[in-house]
Amino acid sequence: SQTIHQWPATLVQPVGSPLSLECTVEGTSNPNLYWYRQAAGRGLQLLFYSVGIGQISSEVPQNLSASRPQDRQFILSSKKLLLSDSGFYLCAWGGGWDMNTEAFFGQGTRLTVV
Amino acid sequence: GQQVMQIPQYQHVQEGEDFTTYCNSSTTLSNIQWYKQRPGGHPVFLIQLVKSGEVKKQKRLTFQFGEAKKNSSLHITATQTTDVGTYFCAGPEGYNFNKFYFGSGTKLNVKP
Repeated sequence: SQTIHQWPATLVQPVGSPLSLECTVEGTSNPNLYWYRQAAGRGLQLLFYSVGIGQISSEVPQNLSASRPQDRQFILSSKKLLLSDSGFYLCAWGGGWDMNTEAFFGQGTRLTVV
Repeated sequence: GQQVMQIPQYQHVQEGEDFTTYCNSSTTLSNIQWYKQRPGGHPVFLIQLVKSGEVKKQKRLTFQFGEAKKNSSLHITATQTTDVGTYFCAGPEGYNFNKFYFGSGTKLNVKP
C-alpha cells in the first residue's frame, strides 16, 4: 500500500533562517506531489505541485520554492523565513489528471517562525 | 485561480443535532471531493462526487453535488462527538486534475 512520510512534525525557526521540509512517498511510482499550507484555523492553500522529476508548478508567488530531485521525493525550501511563513505544511500525493484519485496527505509539519 | 467557498466557517451543535456545510465554486467542477480533518491532524478523504445531481451516503453522512456542478453539500444526521473536525470540499481546476483547490473549510464542534 502507498504511504507518505513527512518530517519533521514540528519546527521552530528564527526569522531569516533557511527551511527544508522533506516528503517521500512509498508504494507508488510517478505520483503527482503537492505542497499545501494551512494557516491557523484556515483552509488549505496550494503552494506547489509536481507531475514528475524536476517539474514544479508554483501557485502563489512567495518566499518558498520546491524541488523534486527523485520520483518519490518532494522538498519545500526557503532561503530566508518570514514571520508570515508560519503555518501547517502538508505534503500530499495523488494519481494525477488521468486517474482522478483523491489526495493522500502526510502528517504535516507545524512551522513556527519566531 | 479557482474560487471554492464554504459556509459556514464555524458550526457549534449539540450532540444529536444535524449539521450541514455548503460548498460553492465560481466555476463548473468536473468533480468534487470532501475531506475531514480532525483537530491537529491531516485531511482524510471522505468521498468523491462526479455526476450532476449525484447523492451519496456514508452512514449518517449525505453528500450532494448540484445540478449545475457548481455547488455541493455535506449533511450529517444526528451528530456525534466523533464528528468533530473541519470539513473541506475540494475540486480540480476544470479538468486539470493536477491542481486541486480546497475550500476554506467548516469547523464543526459537537457538545456532548
